[in-house]
Amino acid sequence: QKEVEQDPGPLSVPEGAIVSLNCTYSNSAFQYFMWYRQYSRKGPELLMYTYSSGNKEDGRFTAQVDKSSKYISLFIRDSQPSDSATYLCATIETSGSRLTFGEGTQLTVNP
Amino acid sequence: GAGVSQSPSNKVTEKGKDVELRCDPISGHTALYWYRQRLGQGLEFLIYFQGNSAPDKSGLPSDRFSAERTGESVSTLTIQRTQQEDSAVYLCASSQGQGREKLFFGSGTQLSVL
Repeated sequence: QKEVEQDPGPLSVPEGAIVSLNCTYSNSAFQYFMWYRQYSRKGPELLMYTYSSGNKEDGRFTAQVDKSSKYISLFIRDSQPSDSATYLCATIETSGSRLTFGEGTQLTVNP
Repeated sequence: GAGVSQSPSNKVTEKGKDVELRCDPISGHTALYWYRQRLGQGLEFLIYFQGNSAPDKSGLPSDRFSAERTGESVSTLTIQRTQQEDSAVYLCASSQGQGREKLFFGSGTQLSVL
C-alpha cells in the first residue's frame, strides 16, 4: 500500500466550476501537508502549505486537512483554463527530511 | 541563478550506456533532492543532500545509481548500464533548509533508454 493515495484522474471540468482534489495517507507521523502544481514539461511548484487540521485559503484555492481521517483536499473555486495542470499532494513527518508525494491528479479546465 | 537549472533537458541513450545528469541549485540553498517521475506516476525520492552531512541515499533503486554534490552547489546523478525501466523524468529540487521548507524544482531531464 502506498503511503499517500491520490486518484490520478484525469479530471475534466468546464470553466468556472469548483474543483475538488483529494488524497489519503496512512502514516500518522505525517504532520505537514502541501499541494504542488505541475504544468506539462515543467517541474512542480508549491501551491499551498498547511500544518494543522482545518482550512487554509489563498485566493481561489483552499486546502483542507482532516488528520483524524488522514484526508487532505484542495478546492479550486471559479476554475480557469490556466489551472489545467497536474496537482500533487505531498506530506512529511515533523522531523522528516523528504516529501512523500501522491501520484498526482491531471486536471483540465475547458473554456 | 534565478532558479534550479538541469541539463540536459532531454537525453536519449542506448541500453547499457552510462548517463550523467546535472543539477545547478539556487545559490544559497543547502538542501538538494533528486526525484524520479515515471510517466503517469508521482515523484519517487532518490537521494537527499544537506550541507556537509552524509547524503540520504535510501531511495536509490539499485547500485547502478549514484549521485554526488560539490559542497553546496552542483550535483550530478549518474546511472550506469542504463535499462529501459530507467526511462523517466529526473527532477532536481533545492531548498533553503530541510524537509518542511519550500522545494524549488527544476524542469527535469527526460531520459529515454532505447
